[in-house]
Amino acid sequence: QSALTQPASVSGSPGQSITISCTGTSSDVGSYNLVSWYQQHPGKAPKLMIYEVSKRPSGVSNRFSGSKSGNTASLTISGLQAEDEADYYCCSYAGSSTHVVFGGGTKLTVL
Amino acid sequence: EVQLVETGGGLIQPGGSLRLSCAASGFTVSSNYMSWVRQAPGKGLEWVSVIYSGGSTYYADSVKGRFTISRDNSKNTLYLQMNSLRAEDTAVYYCAREGLGQFDPWGQGTLVTVSS
Repeated sequence: QSALTQPASVSGSPGQSITISCTGTSSDVGSYNLVSWYQQHPGKAPKLMIYEVSKRPSGVSNRFSGSKSGNTASLTISGLQAEDEADYYCCSYAGSSTHVVFGGGTKLTVL
Repeated sequence: EVQLVETGGGLIQPGGSLRLSCAASGFTVSSNYMSWVRQAPGKGLEWVSVIYSGGSTYYADSVKGRFTISRDNSKNTLYLQMNSLRAEDTAVYYCAREGLGQFDPWGQGTLVTVSS
């Protein structure tokens, strides 16, 4: 099973909005509303930011939002802050045999 | 507080075996899906294995036949037995509670280095 496709890097200035795409196939992103997003700072464990495409766990800022169209999911971060600089990974359930597949990760730089 | 703590990582020679442990607190391992996810140095996340609350287990093709996931309900602990280790298994291994495609929380990770 191939990884989901994410851009290697994105950047934005404080206060701006950015969107990270996550492209899969009809076997994963396109078939299930079970896409999640993770934020990972250097040397730290990943942190769940979005689950089930667009739901935010308790404690996650409402500046983070998720959506999906067809085989592509997206994470949007509005009002960029310096602390948002991190790696972001998408993940999708892909059925019982493959289980889940992750994206390759996107490095967000806040200019 | 819901927490996961991994132990058991270290330096191991190719072909060797290692068992990772993941002690849970604040919730019951056996009532949840639990997964192992790894991250090679400088690389992305890779799902490794899951054990469902009912006991069914699944593995990534890259570890199938070499790794075994299990749990000890009395100790509220998840395990990953890794045999026939290869250089490409070198990674930080995280355990995580899974909600079918969503992982939360994660442990702090334990580093496994396979090298002679």
